[in-house]
Amino acid sequence: SYELTQSPSVSVSPGQTARITCTGDSLAKQYVYWYQQKPGQAPVLVIYKDNKRPSGIPERFSGSSSGTTVTLTISGVQAEDEADYYCQSADSSGTYPVVFGGGTKLTVL
Amino acid sequence: QVQLVQSGAEVKKPGASVKVSCKASGYSLTNYYIHWVRQAPGQGLEWMGWINPNSGDTNYAQKFQGWVTMTRDTSINTAYMDLSSLRSDGTAVYYCARGENKGFFDYWGQGTLVTVSS
Repeated sequence: SYELTQSPSVSVSPGQTARITCTGDSLAKQYVYWYQQKPGQAPVLVIYKDNKRPSGIPERFSGSSSGTTVTLTISGVQAEDEADYYCQSADSSGTYPVVFGGGTKLTVL
Repeated sequence: QVQLVQSGAEVKKPGASVKVSCKASGYSLTNYYIHWVRQAPGQGLEWMGWINPNSGDTNYAQKFQGWVTMTRDTSINTAYMDLSSLRSDGTAVYYCARGENKGFFDYWGQGTLVTVSS
């Protein structure tokens, strides 16, 4: 199987920068997408194709990649950013067209 | 505006089947893939598969092959996910999402809670 690895939790104080990482063998060759999910709600796309921001998503959300690790950065974290964040990508062989990371719980202290 | 509206919550006994619908509005169903993603209580997102509404082609995750069926009715802009032989570990929220074949889910349904209990 193909796996994307995320750290289970990240904690930051309001105004600080949160960095959430996602690691996978194929990430250097496949786009990564990031979703935010708040309790009881459907996920929301916050970053697509590694570093692009959909309309309506605040500029404090950004994405970057380096080899097999991609990073979602939230600058100037606000209380409303507290949520679970999931990365999503695919493996290079095409066997696993959609794979989600295990999710990272962002806590705003 | 684009919306995906799913059918309501279901309670099923083990061994039963469930069919969840996902009605698209604000765009033509045939222009994007529809994926199904499930989330067990307190757990992460799990991809189940996709249907290409234009061709009817499907691609199911290996784990769900043999007991999931995805269909569509383009005349009413609606996709369906049929899950058979339900077990208690099938209790989850099931989401439909619009996307490309490798994900990129820009719109999601509100989710449908399926509870499997005897």
